[in-house]
Amino acid sequence: DVKVTQSSRYLVKRTGEKVFLECVQDMDHENMFWYRQDPGLGLRLIYFSYDVKMKEKGDIPEGYSVSREKKERFSLILESASTNQTSMYLCASSLAPGRGLSYEQYFGPGTRLTVT
Amino acid sequence: EDKVVQSPLSLVVHEGDTVTLNCSYEVTNFRSLLWYKQEKKAPTFLFMLTSSGIEKKSGRLSSILDKKELFSILNITATQTGDSAVYLCAVGSLSWKQGTSYGKLTFGQGTILTVHP
Repeated sequence: DVKVTQSSRYLVKRTGEKVFLECVQDMDHENMFWYRQDPGLGLRLIYFSYDVKMKEKGDIPEGYSVSREKKERFSLILESASTNQTSMYLCASSLAPGRGLSYEQYFGPGTRLTVT
Repeated sequence: EDKVVQSPLSLVVHEGDTVTLNCSYEVTNFRSLLWYKQEKKAPTFLFMLTSSGIEKKSGRLSSILDKKELFSILNITATQTGDSAVYLCAVGSLSWKQGTSYGKLTFGQGTILTVHP
């Protein structure tokens, strides 16, 4: 059974704190993604990684960074949390092109982050 | 810039009704269109469509893609309260970075479906 897990379901942090969101997948997927989901805006891509130690900016990378030291783990970092980063954060993974249904992404349960 | 637009943004129906959700797109290097259902947790995969005019069905849900007109519809017949969810449309495209190809999804805003008993 495919599985993507995220370190926390709910998180409350203060403005200016450094925040780490962790994502782990057990499917040997090459690609991993971080999205944020806000009402009326759908899922917006923050960062993605198509290989270990590789990372690429998505559509809204400002205020975020990522780390992928191992294939199964992809971390999202908020260097200095701000209230406009209050959101639902979703991690996803997928196979590389040429290894099956590479466009189907498998999602974790999400982390609802509140920054006060 | 890739763009996916869903309509309506929200819909309220009663059990037994049939609903049609729409998704239009403008995406370069189109490869597939996916539908996901999201309740209060991770989005779960419903369908992936790659060819025009071929309907995919799963129980009361069905979907079809029109690659000429660049849209897809998701139909749900005989709706039930358990169908209440956000339905996400996403378009898969192929991109390249530093000589490596990867599959990217561009999502629409989602349609919030509420089914009343």
